[in-house]
Amino acid sequence: AQRVTQPEKLLSVFKGAPVELKCNYSYSGSPELFWYVQYSRQRLQLLLRHISRESIKGFTADLNKGETSFHLKKPFAQEEDSAMYYCALGSGNTGKLIFGQGTTLQVKP
Amino acid sequence: DTGVSQDPRHKITKRGQNVTFRCDPISEHNRLYWYRQTLGQGPEFLTYFQNEAQLEKSRLLSDRFSAERPKGSFSTLEIQRTEQGDSAMYLCASSLVVGHYGYTFGSGTRLTVV
Repeated sequence: AQRVTQPEKLLSVFKGAPVELKCNYSYSGSPELFWYVQYSRQRLQLLLRHISRESIKGFTADLNKGETSFHLKKPFAQEEDSAMYYCALGSGNTGKLIFGQGTTLQVKP
Repeated sequence: DTGVSQDPRHKITKRGQNVTFRCDPISEHNRLYWYRQTLGQGPEFLTYFQNEAQLEKSRLLSDRFSAERPKGSFSTLEIQRTEQGDSAMYLCASSLVVGHYGYTFGSGTRLTVV
Protein backbone atom coordinates (compact mmCIF):
# COMPACT_ATOMS: atom_id res chain seq x y z
CA ALA A 1 0.00 0.00 0.00
CA GLN A 2 1.13 3.54 -0.67
CA ARG A 3 1.69 5.39 2.53
CA VAL A 4 3.56 8.33 4.00
CA THR A 5 4.49 8.39 7.65
CA GLN A 6 5.62 11.42 9.61
CA PRO A 7 6.32 10.04 13.06
CA GLU A 8 6.47 13.35 14.92
CA LYS A 9 3.39 15.50 15.37
CA LEU A 10 5.41 18.27 16.98
CA LEU A 11 9.06 19.19 16.81
CA SER A 12 10.24 22.01 19.03
CA VAL A 13 13.74 23.47 18.69
CA PHE A 14 15.56 26.64 19.63
CA LYS A 15 16.57 29.22 17.05
CA GLY A 16 19.89 28.31 15.50
CA ALA A 17 19.56 24.60 16.25
CA PRO A 18 19.55 22.00 13.47
CA VAL A 19 16.22 20.65 12.33
CA GLU A 20 15.29 17.27 10.88
CA LEU A 21 11.68 16.49 10.04
CA LYS A 22 11.26 12.79 9.38
CA CYS A 23 9.34 11.25 6.54
CA ASN A 24 9.12 7.60 5.56
CA TYR A 25 7.19 6.25 2.64
CA SER A 26 5.88 2.99 1.27
CA TYR A 27 5.65 2.70 -2.51
CA SER A 28 6.38 -0.12 -4.92
CA GLY A 29 7.40 2.00 -7.89
CA SER A 30 9.80 4.86 -8.41
CA PRO A 31 8.70 7.51 -5.91
CA GLU A 32 8.16 11.20 -6.45
CA LEU A 33 8.47 12.95 -3.10
CA PHE A 34 7.68 16.46 -1.97
CA TRP A 35 7.61 18.66 1.07
CA TYR A 36 4.76 21.14 1.48
CA VAL A 37 4.60 23.84 4.12
CA GLN A 38 1.73 25.76 5.65
CA TYR A 39 2.54 28.91 7.58
CA SER A 40 0.00 30.30 9.99
CA ARG A 41 -3.10 31.59 8.20
CA GLN A 42 -1.61 30.85 4.78
CA ARG A 43 -2.37 28.27 2.15
CA LEU A 44 -0.44 25.06 1.67
CA GLN A 45 2.54 25.63 -0.62
CA LEU A 46 5.22 23.54 -2.22
CA LEU A 47 8.55 23.78 -0.39
CA LEU A 48 10.69 21.41 -2.39
CA ARG A 49 10.64 18.25 -4.50
CA HIS A 50 13.21 15.53 -4.57
CA ILE A 51 13.64 15.52 -8.32
CA SER A 52 14.96 19.06 -8.44
CA ARG A 53 17.48 18.53 -5.64
CA GLU A 54 17.15 22.16 -4.69
CA SER A 55 17.55 24.03 -1.44
CA ILE A 56 14.69 26.32 -0.52
CA LYS A 57 14.90 28.67 2.47
CA GLY A 58 17.90 26.65 3.61
CA PHE A 59 15.97 23.37 3.66
CA THR A 60 17.17 20.27 1.85
CA ALA A 61 15.82 16.76 1.57
CA ASP A 62 17.52 13.68 0.20
CA LEU A 63 15.66 10.67 -1.07
CA ASN A 64 17.04 7.48 0.49
CA LYS A 65 15.49 4.58 -1.36
CA GLY A 66 17.20 2.01 0.85
CA GLU A 67 15.60 3.43 3.97
CA THR A 68 12.50 4.66 2.10
CA SER A 69 12.96 8.05 3.69
CA PHE A 70 12.84 11.67 2.61
CA HIS A 71 13.77 13.63 5.70
CA LEU A 72 13.74 17.43 5.62
CA LYS A 73 16.76 19.15 7.11
CA LYS A 74 17.98 22.61 7.91
CA PRO A 75 21.26 23.32 9.70
CA PHE A 76 20.12 26.43 11.59
CA ALA A 77 16.44 26.93 12.34
CA GLN A 78 14.90 30.40 12.21
CA GLU A 79 11.77 31.57 14.00
CA GLU A 80 10.07 32.17 10.65
CA ASP A 81 10.41 28.44 9.91
CA SER A 82 7.68 27.75 12.44
CA ALA A 83 4.90 26.10 10.43
CA MET A 84 3.20 22.81 9.61
CA TYR A 85 5.21 20.61 7.27
CA TYR A 86 3.73 17.83 5.16
CA CYS A 87 5.61 15.15 3.29
CA ALA A 88 3.83 13.92 0.16
CA LEU A 89 4.24 11.00 -2.23
CA GLY A 90 3.33 11.25 -5.90
CA SER A 91 1.26 8.32 -7.11
CA GLY A 92 1.72 7.19 -10.70
CA ASN A 93 0.93 9.48 -13.60
CA THR A 94 -2.20 10.97 -12.15
CA GLY A 95 -0.53 13.70 -10.20
CA LYS A 96 -2.37 12.48 -7.13
CA LEU A 97 -0.47 13.07 -3.89
CA ILE A 98 -0.57 11.03 -0.71
CA PHE A 99 0.19 13.22 2.28
CA GLY A 100 1.57 12.37 5.67
CA GLN A 101 -0.15 13.60 8.81
CA GLY A 102 2.15 16.56 9.11
CA THR A 103 4.67 17.79 11.66
CA THR A 104 4.38 21.10 13.42
CA LEU A 105 7.76 22.77 13.69
CA GLN A 106 8.05 25.24 16.52
CA VAL A 107 11.20 27.34 16.62
CA LYS A 108 11.65 29.06 19.95
CA PRO A 109 13.64 32.28 20.34
CA ASP B 1 -4.07 35.65 -12.30
CA THR B 2 -4.20 35.55 -8.53
CA GLY B 3 -3.72 31.84 -8.10
CA VAL B 4 -6.30 29.25 -7.12
CA SER B 5 -9.49 30.74 -5.70
CA GLN B 6 -12.05 28.94 -3.60
CA ASP B 7 -15.47 30.14 -2.61
CA PRO B 8 -16.84 30.36 0.00
CA ARG B 9 -14.07 30.47 2.60
CA HIS B 10 -16.41 29.21 5.31
CA LYS B 11 -19.73 27.43 5.20
CA ILE B 12 -21.91 26.47 8.14
CA THR B 13 -24.83 24.28 7.27
CA LYS B 14 -27.42 22.17 9.02
CA ARG B 15 -27.23 18.42 8.76
CA GLY B 16 -29.18 17.19 5.78
CA GLN B 17 -28.70 20.31 3.68
CA ASN B 18 -26.87 20.38 0.36
CA VAL B 19 -23.78 22.53 -0.13
CA THR B 20 -21.74 23.48 -3.17
CA PHE B 21 -18.19 24.78 -3.29
CA ARG B 22 -16.43 26.42 -6.19
CA CYS B 23 -12.80 26.35 -7.26
CA ASP B 24 -11.19 28.56 -9.91
CA PRO B 25 -7.78 27.16 -10.86
CA ILE B 26 -4.86 28.94 -12.45
CA SER B 27 -6.04 29.52 -15.99
CA GLU B 28 -3.34 27.59 -17.84
CA HIS B 29 -3.50 24.59 -15.49
CA ASN B 30 -5.39 21.70 -17.00
CA ARG B 31 -5.40 19.46 -13.93
CA LEU B 32 -7.61 20.22 -10.95
CA TYR B 33 -7.70 18.28 -7.69
CA TRP B 34 -10.00 18.20 -4.69
CA TYR B 35 -8.71 17.16 -1.28
CA ARG B 36 -10.29 16.99 2.13
CA GLN B 37 -8.47 17.75 5.34
CA THR B 38 -9.73 17.00 8.83
CA LEU B 39 -8.18 18.22 12.06
CA GLY B 40 -4.77 16.75 12.74
CA GLN B 41 -4.57 14.98 9.40
CA GLY B 42 -2.89 15.64 6.11
CA PRO B 43 -4.97 16.33 3.01
CA GLU B 44 -6.74 13.28 1.58
CA PHE B 45 -7.33 12.91 -2.13
CA LEU B 46 -10.96 13.04 -3.27
CA THR B 47 -10.95 13.40 -7.05
CA TYR B 48 -9.21 15.02 -9.98
CA PHE B 49 -9.94 16.36 -13.44
CA GLN B 50 -7.84 16.68 -16.51
CA ASN B 51 -9.54 19.41 -18.49
CA GLU B 52 -13.25 18.55 -18.18
CA ALA B 53 -12.80 14.82 -17.66
CA GLN B 54 -13.02 13.42 -14.14
CA LEU B 55 -10.35 10.75 -14.19
CA GLU B 56 -10.29 9.34 -10.68
CA LYS B 57 -12.49 9.31 -7.61
CA SER B 58 -11.46 8.21 -4.16
CA ARG B 59 -13.49 5.71 -2.15
CA LEU B 60 -13.88 8.58 0.31
CA LEU B 61 -16.21 10.16 -2.21
CA SER B 62 -19.55 8.59 -1.39
CA ASP B 63 -22.63 8.86 -3.59
CA ARG B 64 -23.53 12.06 -1.78
CA PHE B 65 -20.52 13.79 -3.30
CA SER B 66 -20.31 14.97 -6.87
CA ALA B 67 -17.78 17.10 -8.66
CA GLU B 68 -17.87 18.76 -12.04
CA ARG B 69 -15.62 20.78 -14.23
CA PRO B 70 -17.96 21.56 -17.11
CA LYS B 71 -15.74 23.56 -19.42
CA GLY B 72 -12.37 22.56 -18.16
CA SER B 73 -12.06 25.76 -16.19
CA PHE B 74 -13.69 26.16 -12.76
CA SER B 75 -14.92 23.20 -10.77
CA THR B 76 -17.71 22.63 -8.26
CA LEU B 77 -17.93 20.10 -5.47
CA GLU B 78 -21.41 19.35 -4.18
CA ILE B 79 -22.27 17.45 -1.03
CA GLN B 80 -25.85 16.32 -0.70
CA ARG B 81 -27.58 15.52 2.58
CA THR B 82 -24.61 16.67 4.63
CA GLU B 83 -23.58 14.75 7.73
CA GLN B 84 -21.53 15.89 10.70
CA GLY B 85 -18.68 13.71 9.47
CA ASP B 86 -18.43 15.89 6.38
CA SER B 87 -17.11 18.76 8.50
CA ALA B 88 -13.63 19.44 7.17
CA MET B 89 -11.51 21.77 5.11
CA TYR B 90 -12.01 21.16 1.39
CA LEU B 91 -8.95 22.06 -0.63
CA CYS B 92 -8.64 22.60 -4.33
CA ALA B 93 -5.35 22.53 -6.21
CA SER B 94 -4.33 22.86 -9.83
CA SER B 95 -1.31 21.92 -11.89
CA LEU B 96 -0.05 21.39 -15.38
CA VAL B 97 -0.07 17.85 -16.75
CA VAL B 98 3.62 17.89 -17.36
CA GLY B 99 6.00 18.64 -14.58
CA HIS B 100 6.34 17.11 -11.20
CA TYR B 101 3.20 17.65 -9.22
CA GLY B 102 3.86 21.29 -8.60
CA TYR B 103 0.44 21.90 -7.18
CA THR B 104 -0.86 25.33 -6.39
CA PHE B 105 -3.40 25.11 -3.60
CA GLY B 106 -6.31 27.34 -2.86
CA SER B 107 -7.07 28.62 0.62
CA GLY B 108 -9.77 26.04 1.10
CA THR B 109 -13.42 26.04 2.12
CA ARG B 110 -14.05 25.18 5.74
CA LEU B 111 -17.32 23.30 6.11
CA THR B 112 -19.03 22.95 9.47
CA VAL B 113 -22.12 20.76 9.64
CA VAL B 114 -24.24 21.40 12.74
